[in-house]
Amino acid sequence: GENVEQHPSTLSVQEGDSAVIKCTYSDSASNYFPWYKQELGKGPQLIIDIRSNVGEKKDQRIAVTLNKTAKHFSLHITETQPEDSAVYFCAARNQAGTALIFGKGTTLSVSS
Amino acid sequence: GAVVSQHPSRVICKSGTSVKIECRSLDFQATTMFWYRQFPKQSLMLMATSNEGSKATYEQGVEKDKFLINHASLTLSTLTVTSAHPEDSSFYICSAITGAKNIQYFGAGTRLSVL
Repeated sequence: GENVEQHPSTLSVQEGDSAVIKCTYSDSASNYFPWYKQELGKGPQLIIDIRSNVGEKKDQRIAVTLNKTAKHFSLHITETQPEDSAVYFCAARNQAGTALIFGKGTTLSVSS
Repeated sequence: GAVVSQHPSRVICKSGTSVKIECRSLDFQATTMFWYRQFPKQSLMLMATSNEGSKATYEQGVEKDKFLINHASLTLSTLTVTSAHPEDSSFYICSAITGAKNIQYFGAGTRLSVL
């Protein structure tokens, strides 16, 4: 089955800096890669996703890149703000209608 | 995005009792819902896939007789933790897929504490 590795497990940045979180996946058939933000005591919230037919997607301060050959994808957050502090999870899926498989999460701390 | 409602948000129960958690898709029909479990500072672990009108598919290591899943309608799936024990204390989160893009949305989670 699919296995998703995520790094780093913790990331501390200063407000205004950029943050990058990286994930690798094992199943070459995976074709959908979302990123979720989870605040303490809450459910995950989708922040951006990318499908295997594109290499990059951007939404304001957030961007995701995908390298299918290397089987890795990354989340980029620019101009970080304290409210970006949360746990971020990457995930992968190889078939529509099936469940996402999650990475272990990255705790992002943005200090002002 | 689509709204997935989960209830209750928190429940405390005595060991040996059963607890039911509800997951509703508020503005869409969900033929498939998923139940995840999350321990503190850990990732989401898939417990089972809930299909409307049929039996749930459980992941390896998840006891189907302990975690009863019912998906009787296109907008409601329930998870019942039977004969709960302290080790069942965890954060349970449901999710549902919607739309042509098959985006997976999550509920707010249920914090279960078994005394």
